[in-house]
Amino acid sequence: GAGVSQSPSNKVTEKGKDVELRCDPISGHTALYWYRQSLGQGLEFLIYFQGNSAPDKSGLPSDRFSAERTGGSVSTLTIQRTQQEDSAVYLCASSLNTPGIGGTGELFFGEGSRLTVL
Amino acid sequence: AQSVTQLGSHVSVSEGALVLLRCNYSSSVPPYLFWYVQYPNQGLQLLLKYTTGATLVKGINGFEAEFKKSETSFHLTKPSAHMSDAAEYFCAVSAAAGNNRKLIWGLGTSLAVNP
Repeated sequence: GAGVSQSPSNKVTEKGKDVELRCDPISGHTALYWYRQSLGQGLEFLIYFQGNSAPDKSGLPSDRFSAERTGGSVSTLTIQRTQQEDSAVYLCASSLNTPGIGGTGELFFGEGSRLTVL
Repeated sequence: AQSVTQLGSHVSVSEGALVLLRCNYSSSVPPYLFWYVQYPNQGLQLLLKYTTGATLVKGINGFEAEFKKSETSFHLTKPSAHMSDAAEYFCAVSAAAGNNRKLIWGLGTSLAVNP
């Protein structure tokens, strides 16, 4: 597609259930990011994938959170045993980074997946 | 360590009035600075960015921002607000071009435009 696609756009789940959020980045973008956006909290970095390099997982808030990126394209963010504090909008972004040159610095965002944990 | 402060979580202006959204940053190295806009129920999109060169940067939809090193500021302005400008605006700073994972985000400023 032309832009970053995320699904589902809305997800309501019960506390303790697992959820999977999907991100389909712009074709050819080697970098992919997951952010969490909570009300009044700005953007919280979760995880970063760059090509075939090991992902930067330094932003994941707990071991209940994990993410993978298959074939350098689609990414899935998984939250196990969801808690009410996990309720937020999860944003995915991709970027055309050129290693060694730096790229444009521009992130292209999807519309987000709104997660509500009851 | 880098940080970004957006002064004013909510700003309200009348249609046609000047828009001024404030952003101050802290960085130990020359920063790259960004403004993103988020319209309701949408993702963020880049408004403008400063990397090197001219300190006055023009972006989409008539917005511009000026990098002032002495004031460590990167305020966003628009001469005349339009109703369609109502959105959330985020300022971000990065230590190096392209190293996006180091983007540090402000908490955002919600802009309301009154008729």
